[in-house]
Amino acid sequence: DVKVTQSSRYLVKRTGEKVFLECVQDMDHENMFWYRQDPGLGLRLIYFSYDVKMKEKGDIPEGYSVSREKKERFSLILESASTNQTSMYLCASSLPSPSGKDTQYFGPGTRLTVL
Amino acid sequence: GQQVMQIPQYQHVQEGEDFTTYCNSSTTLSNIQWYKQRPGGHPVFLIQLVKSGEVKKQKRLTFQFGEAKKNSSLHITATQTTDVGTYFCAGLLTNAGKSTFGDGTTLTVKP
Repeated sequence: DVKVTQSSRYLVKRTGEKVFLECVQDMDHENMFWYRQDPGLGLRLIYFSYDVKMKEKGDIPEGYSVSREKKERFSLILESASTNQTSMYLCASSLPSPSGKDTQYFGPGTRLTVL
Repeated sequence: GQQVMQIPQYQHVQEGEDFTTYCNSSTTLSNIQWYKQRPGGHPVFLIQLVKSGEVKKQKRLTFQFGEAKKNSSLHITATQTTDVGTYFCAGLLTNAGKSTFGDGTTLTVKP
């Protein structure tokens, strides 16, 4: 079974803090993704990575950065958290699309509240 | 802009009624996948469709991929309260490195 884990289920931070959200997958997947999910807005892609040290901006990268130093780990960084970044953050991983699939496996999510 | 559109956004049904959600792309898809997210949970993969006109069934769920590979549907027959959740489609555009998710359809079922 593919397992994607996220460092925290719930997190409360203050405005201006630097926030790290960690994601680890155990299936040797090349692709990893960070989404945020807000009511009525579906899944919005923040960043994705298709290899170690490689990253690409998704639809809403502003205010975020990412780090992928090891294949199994993909970190999302909020350099200076703001209240509008209060959201559910979901990490996912998949095999690359040349495999014909891109079936994404999601972690349980981190609900971040910025006060 | 968004290339995979999903409708409706919300659907409320009485238990036993049928339910359908539709997914449309402006461009041809290599494949389409469907996911289900239970309330409080995370999206879980249900199925993938690859071939033009493909139809797959999982118990009361029927998935279809259009002939032009630009649209897809998920139909649930005789809904049950266990069907509640948000259903997402995700289309893999030809030559794209990743899938694009629709906004999801949230289904509520009244017992």
